[in-house]
Amino acid sequence: AQSVTQPDIHITVSEGASLELRCNYSYGATPYLFWYVQSPGQGLQLLLKYFSGDTLVQGIKGFEAEFKRSQSSFNLRKPSVHWSDAAEYFCAVGPGGSQGNLIFGKGTKLSVKP
Amino acid sequence: GAVVSQHPSWVICKSGTSVKIECRSLDFQATTMFWYRQFPKQSLMLMATSNEGSKATYEQGVEKDKFLINHASLTLSTLTVTSAHPEDSSFYICSARSTAKNIQYFGAGTRLSVL
Repeated sequence: AQSVTQPDIHITVSEGASLELRCNYSYGATPYLFWYVQSPGQGLQLLLKYFSGDTLVQGIKGFEAEFKRSQSSFNLRKPSVHWSDAAEYFCAVGPGGSQGNLIFGKGTKLSVKP
Repeated sequence: GAVVSQHPSWVICKSGTSVKIECRSLDFQATTMFWYRQFPKQSLMLMATSNEGSKATYEQGVEKDKFLINHASLTLSTLTVTSAHPEDSSFYICSARSTAKNIQYFGAGTRLSVL
């Protein structure tokens, strides 16, 4: 079955500390992987995506993610968290091509301590 | 970057009335748009896939007669919640797929409250 697992429901980090949000997926074909961020009451903003090529992808707002096929993981990282990063983060997987929908994880809520 | 406009952002209605939500891709054409529903503290649940010029494809358990979807142009899809009831209160989010980039761009969502 196709699925995305985000094991951490809620993470709290201190401002300036490093961050890693975990994402594991189960997908039958070559996955297209995405990380989205959602602020309260807002839609989703794309942080970064992986389609192919270099397994370390850079995104907006200083985020990066590494695709590890052997571990079926696509963890999101940021070296130094800012208070404005507090939000809900969703990992998603989808097929290539122009059709098909995304499968989302349940999300990880990030809180940032001053 | 690509922008998807969703309107209204918040709507309150009486039970039994219908509510229409619009989703527009502002600077790209989207042959496929998606409608999601998000419950509090939950992930997004795909309701239906909207294809321009054809009938929408609904996910299992989603009532197509209750959630009417129209995708009449390459930049506009609408979701109409018919005869809304309090249990329909939720956060509805649309997305539009950029075929050129194979990326879904999301609207800001619509919070529906049915009294």
